[in-house]
Amino acid sequence: GAGVSQTPSNKVTEKGKYVELRCDPISGHTALYWYRQSLGQGPEFLIYFQGTGAADDSGLPNDRFFAVRPEGSVSTLKIQRTERGDSAVYLCASSAGLQETQYFGPGTRLLVL
Amino acid sequence: AQTVTQSQPEMSVQEAETVTLSCTYDTSESNYYLFWYKQPPSRQMILVIRQEAYKQQNATENRFSVNFQKAAKSFSLKISDSQLGDTAMYFCAFMKHANFGNEKLTFGTGTRLTIIP
Repeated sequence: GAGVSQTPSNKVTEKGKYVELRCDPISGHTALYWYRQSLGQGPEFLIYFQGTGAADDSGLPNDRFFAVRPEGSVSTLKIQRTERGDSAVYLCASSAGLQETQYFGPGTRLLVL
Repeated sequence: AQTVTQSQPEMSVQEAETVTLSCTYDTSESNYYLFWYKQPPSRQMILVIRQEAYKQQNATENRFSVNFQKAAKSFSLKISDSQLGDTAMYFCAFMKHANFGNEKLTFGTGTRLTIIP
């Protein structure tokens, strides 16, 4: 595809449930990023992949959050035992490499009831 | 750690007029990148303009230009001949220069810009 895509667009779940959010980066982009955007705030960094490995996961808030990118393309952000405070828009971005501009997807809006 | 501050939560301007959005940042880095992203109601963050700190010349992209003042750590965005499609949230962002990842963006809290017909 031409841009970064994310699925689902919206996700409603109940407190305590497990969710997976998917990101398809721009074809050929080696770097992939996840950000979380709470209402009225700017995006906050969660995790960064270079290829298949997580180069920096310092932004993950706790061990309920985990992300993978097994083949160096598609990435999945996994949240266990969801809490109401996890409600936010989760944005994915990709870039062609070091120092390159990050291009964002439309995000997944997660609502935890 | 880097911080980015946008002191104007909301702004509005008449169509065809010029508007300037403010951004200041704090860093001890000497080499870095600055960005302005636009986020319309569709939620997708769209790159507006990018500036390398080592370049003295201010970046321009059609109707969009920046005033980069490195010593003052200021990076304002000027939108000329504003159009209705410019209505959106605008985020200023910082990325430090790194030889090996991590190239995360640090964002400000945004300015909601409304263009009035």
